[in-house]
Amino acid sequence: QQPVQSPQAVILREGEDAVINCSSSKALYSVHWYRQKHGEAPVFLMILLKGGEQKGHDKISASFNEKKQQSSLYLTASQLSYSGTYFCGTVGEGGSEKLVFGKGTKLTVNP
Amino acid sequence: NAGVTQTPKFQVLKTGQSMTLQCAQDMNHEYMSWYRQDPGMGLRLIHYSVGAGITDQGEVPNGYNVSRSTTEDFPLRLLSAAPSQTSVYFCASRAGGRGNTIYFGEGSWLTVV
Repeated sequence: QQPVQSPQAVILREGEDAVINCSSSKALYSVHWYRQKHGEAPVFLMILLKGGEQKGHDKISASFNEKKQQSSLYLTASQLSYSGTYFCGTVGEGGSEKLVFGKGTKLTVNP
Repeated sequence: NAGVTQTPKFQVLKTGQSMTLQCAQDMNHEYMSWYRQDPGMGLRLIHYSVGAGITDQGEVPNGYNVSRSTTEDFPLRLLSAAPSQTSVYFCASRAGGRGNTIYFGEGSWLTVV
């Protein structure tokens, strides 16, 4: 079952912040965040494991609330290079290995 | 290190034709999977495999077959192509373990006319 992402699209000016949310109806083992540019393959950003771990990478960070089966991706002081579509993927707690993705959030950063 | 290699990159098929999308990885990854990507639908899982000889269905398996005879290769077969299978297909792999990074191939653009 696909996780649900919100919002579907965001438009920012350079330097502004954004939050992208990902929620699942199932208990989660891990949450994976990827960014995809048009015509290219998705690129790995970060993984969050069960345990409420928060991770960061430069000005992009993420949190994982396993009790609510939710994850959020935080982009601060956005840059033009942040434009793209962001996908969250989830692996369930039940033992299945499969990774399923949400429909994506399209982020546009304008000068 | 080639990573995940998909072939062909572009293909046009006629309705009813069959074809195989090839996927190979050189990282000795146990887990391999196929996704299709359509506008507004995100990445949808077609089939996946946790090791040689083991495959399972994903979210949208109908119309596709897979097999995993070696660790390195995971081909996706379309037995009788339909226009609804026009899409971008991505193969991906990861080392064993649900908390590991998944690596994507560059994608295969398939058009069925």
